[in-house]
Amino acid sequence: GESVGLHLPTLSVQEGDNSIINCAYSNSASDYFIWYKQESGKGPQFIIDIRSNMDKRQGQRVTVLLNKTVKHLSLQIAATQPGDSAVYFCAEEGGSTLGRLYFGRGTQLTVWP
Amino acid sequence: ETGVTQSPTHLIKTRGQQVTLRCSSQSGHNTVSWYQQALGQGPQFIFQYYREEENGRGNFPPRFSGLQFPNYSSELNVNALELDDSALYLCASSAKDRSAYEQYFGPGTRLTVT
Repeated sequence: GESVGLHLPTLSVQEGDNSIINCAYSNSASDYFIWYKQESGKGPQFIIDIRSNMDKRQGQRVTVLLNKTVKHLSLQIAATQPGDSAVYFCAEEGGSTLGRLYFGRGTQLTVWP
Repeated sequence: ETGVTQSPTHLIKTRGQQVTLRCSSQSGHNTVSWYQQALGQGPQFIFQYYREEENGRGNFPPRFSGLQFPNYSSELNVNALELDDSALYLCASSAKDRSAYEQYFGPGTRLTVT
């Protein structure tokens, strides 16, 4: 079955620095990947997504990189701000149910002023 | 904030009881997925409802059941509650003809089983 995991459970960065959050996935057939941000007491919030036919996608202050060879996904946050402090999850869409997401454990990002 | 709402916000039940959680989907969305998120873990897919029928199920026992109504809102029912059912229950709404990109999560219901 599919499994999505994260390399590091916690990450602490200084405000203004860049953050990189990594994720490994196991299902080479997965076609679609999403990064979510979850703040305390809230549901996951969509950040950015990428399809398997791409290796890079940029948003506002965020970039997602996909390396299909090693089944690795990363989220880069530029000029990290205190408001970026949250748990970040990577998720992959897979299986027979369209829209079914497989989440990893998450990485707690803490931004210090 | 998404247009997905869930009720109640918090709930405390005792082992063996039954619980019903509710979700109102975002306008224009016809599909609701439910997830269970244990403390310190990522959300785990329970099932999905589309056109008032279950359309895919994760590795959860039959005591987890659901409903979807004509207005696309949904309920999650859990019978014979166990201590391990304590978790944050999330619903996510989406449009069936689109990918998970259009999947918006509600704030969740925190269930505690004692």
